[in-house]
Amino acid sequence: GQQLNQSPQSMFIQEGEDVSMNCTSSSIFNTWLWYKQEPGEGPVLLIALYKAGELTSNGRLTAQFGITRKDSFLNISASIPSDVGIYFCAGLPGTSYGKLTFGQGTILTVHP
Amino acid sequence: DSGVTQTPKHLITATGQRVTLRCSPRSGDLSVYWYQQSLDQGLQFLIQYYNGEERAKGNILERFSAQQFPDLHSELNLSSLELGDSALYFCASNMGSVNEQFFGPGTRLTVL
Repeated sequence: GQQLNQSPQSMFIQEGEDVSMNCTSSSIFNTWLWYKQEPGEGPVLLIALYKAGELTSNGRLTAQFGITRKDSFLNISASIPSDVGIYFCAGLPGTSYGKLTFGQGTILTVHP
Repeated sequence: DSGVTQTPKHLITATGQRVTLRCSPRSGDLSVYWYQQSLDQGLQFLIQYYNGEERAKGNILERFSAQQFPDLHSELNLSSLELGDSALYFCASNMGSVNEQFFGPGTRLTVL
């Protein structure tokens, strides 16, 4: 089936640094979603992207829908300790009726 | 709090047993999705229901089944449990006409 390659797998950064992560796919997606998951919790939706080239922000988070529709990027600016968690990208092809395909996740650790 | 509720939070059972996981979607949501999260497979889509009808299926095992009731809550039934079924099971919901999915806190299933 379809797979999303998410990188990096993990990041160890200092508080205040900016973070970038991305997802790539071999096939086209019509929607990209970014989620954050903390231990013992379900994924929480951060940003939704619906158009190629779209750039959307949510506070210190900015995500982009790649022009080729096969990739997406998430940036976190001025990281803080509460940014710690696992970040997942998820893609939705146009005909999938909600069958989200998830990336493997990026584990983010922020050192104070 | 996404508004999606799942019970129980934790479930410990033995191989060969059968369990039922319950999900209540957000108020107004008609669609329910079930996902399995394991260390080796990541987040995998299992099945989707919309207003009581099955709409999409992922790689759901034949030992697993689900249904959505008239009050829109959903149950995931797992039978003949194996050690490899130990995982986190998440339910997500949306209105069905949008692509964003909102996840519940999950049920952690441990099969001994």
